[in-house]
Amino acid sequence: DGGITQSPKYLFRKEGQNVTLSCEQNLNHDAMYWYRQDPGQGLRLIYYSQIVNDFQKGDIAEGYSVSREKKESFPLTVTSAQKNPTAFYLCASSGQGADTQYFGPGTRLTVL
Amino acid sequence: RKEVEQDPGPFNVPEGATVAFNCTYSNSASQSFFWYRQDCRKEPKLLMSVYSSGNEDGRFTAQLNRASQYISLLIRDSKLSDSATYLCVVRQRSGGYQKVTFGTGTKLQVIP
Repeated sequence: DGGITQSPKYLFRKEGQNVTLSCEQNLNHDAMYWYRQDPGQGLRLIYYSQIVNDFQKGDIAEGYSVSREKKESFPLTVTSAQKNPTAFYLCASSGQGADTQYFGPGTRLTVL
Repeated sequence: RKEVEQDPGPFNVPEGATVAFNCTYSNSASQSFFWYRQDCRKEPKLLMSVYSSGNEDGRFTAQLNRASQYISLLIRDSKLSDSATYLCVVRQRSGGYQKVTFGTGTKLQVIP
C-alpha cells in the first residue's frame, strides 16, 4: 500500500527530554513537511524539505530539528528547547510541482 | 488580518439540509485552493480542489471568487457522515517554495 506512515501514534515524554517522531512515505514524493496542530488553531508549518539533504525552517521552527538523509524519511526531533511541545504533529508529502499535500495519521505528543 | 479566515462554527444542521461554508484569504497572489476534511483526532484528507470556474463532486460544490478573495463549499443533502471539520487551504508561490496556509477550520455537525 502506498502512503505516509507516522509512528508512534501516541507518545508521552517527560519535560526536558528530546523525542524523535518518525515519518516515512513510499509515494516517491520529493517534498515533505512537518506541521503542528493545537486545539482551535490551524496547522502551523515547522519544517519542510523539497529534496534530499535539504530542508528549510517553517513558521515555528524554534525548538525543533529535522533531517532528510533519504527521500522516504523525514524525522522530526522535538528538543527540550521547545517550550510547549504537547500537540498533534502531522507529516505530509507532495510530488514535484504538485499542489496537493497528503498527510500521515499523525503523532499525538504529550509532555508530562 | 489572518491569511486565511474561516468561521469556526459549529454549524449544526439536520440530515438532508444544505449547508455552505465560506473562507476568505488575504493574499491576492494566491494560486491554488483546496478544501480538506478532518475528522476528530485524525489527519486532514483532501476533499476537493477549487477551480476558477467552480467544480462539483457529487453532493459537494466548490467555488472561487478571486475578486472578493473567498472560496466556498456547498454540501447538499447532508449525511451524518459529513460531520467533521472542513479546512480551507490556500497555496501561493513564495520564492522557490509553495507556501501553503491552512485555515483553522469550520466544524460541521449533522444531526439525525
